[in-house]
Amino acid sequence: KAGVTQTPRYLIKTRGQQVTLSCSPISGHRSVSWYQQTPGQGLQFLFEYFSETQRNKGNFPGRFSGRQFSNSRSEMNVSTLELGDSALYLCASSLRAATEAFFGQGTRLTVV
Amino acid sequence: GESVGLHLPTLSVQEGDNSIINCAYSNSASDYFIWYKQESGKGPQFIIDIRSNMDKRQGQRVTVLLNKTVKHLSLQIAATQPGDSAVYFCAAALPSNTGNQFYFGTGTSLTVIP
Repeated sequence: KAGVTQTPRYLIKTRGQQVTLSCSPISGHRSVSWYQQTPGQGLQFLFEYFSETQRNKGNFPGRFSGRQFSNSRSEMNVSTLELGDSALYLCASSLRAATEAFFGQGTRLTVV
Repeated sequence: GESVGLHLPTLSVQEGDNSIINCAYSNSASDYFIWYKQESGKGPQFIIDIRSNMDKRQGQRVTVLLNKTVKHLSLQIAATQPGDSAVYFCAAALPSNTGNQFYFGTGTSLTVIP
């Protein structure tokens, strides 16, 4: 059974640009969550999608958005990038709420 | 919301010894917990989980203990091996019929000394 796949693995962007990250969950999993991981803040919850609907949202500015497709694949978009957006962005998939959440390898975003 | 913290940011143990990593959470309503292991350059790897209706759960070489009275969670690794060197996170989830959100601790870096 394939795990959670995130693409791309690495990205370098310039301030002011926008970026789209992709996540393919484990087959059959309908819940996809996104987290930002930085050395200082640890893992911070961004948002969660289930059956194409955003159910939960963390405390991030509106520049961070996402969506989920009918096949459960999810994308996360960050617009008007800032230096502080440099982080490891992790996607986790679950069968449903309050069950095992499995992470992908993450996308390392560097904003210069 | 929920606030999760680990007691020690770093822990060093001798190979073959047992390791204990501790975690505290703030919200007594949290009812589901997961321990993750994260190696350098990789995403967090699921180790073991426990629900609030249990006090203890065992896996292969790992045991999770939950003390709801003091809101404390621990991960015990038996016969620690060099491959166990990593950062360990605990994560807590509040009961939710509408979503799936985990609150993470800041992590304990475990170093196994050969």
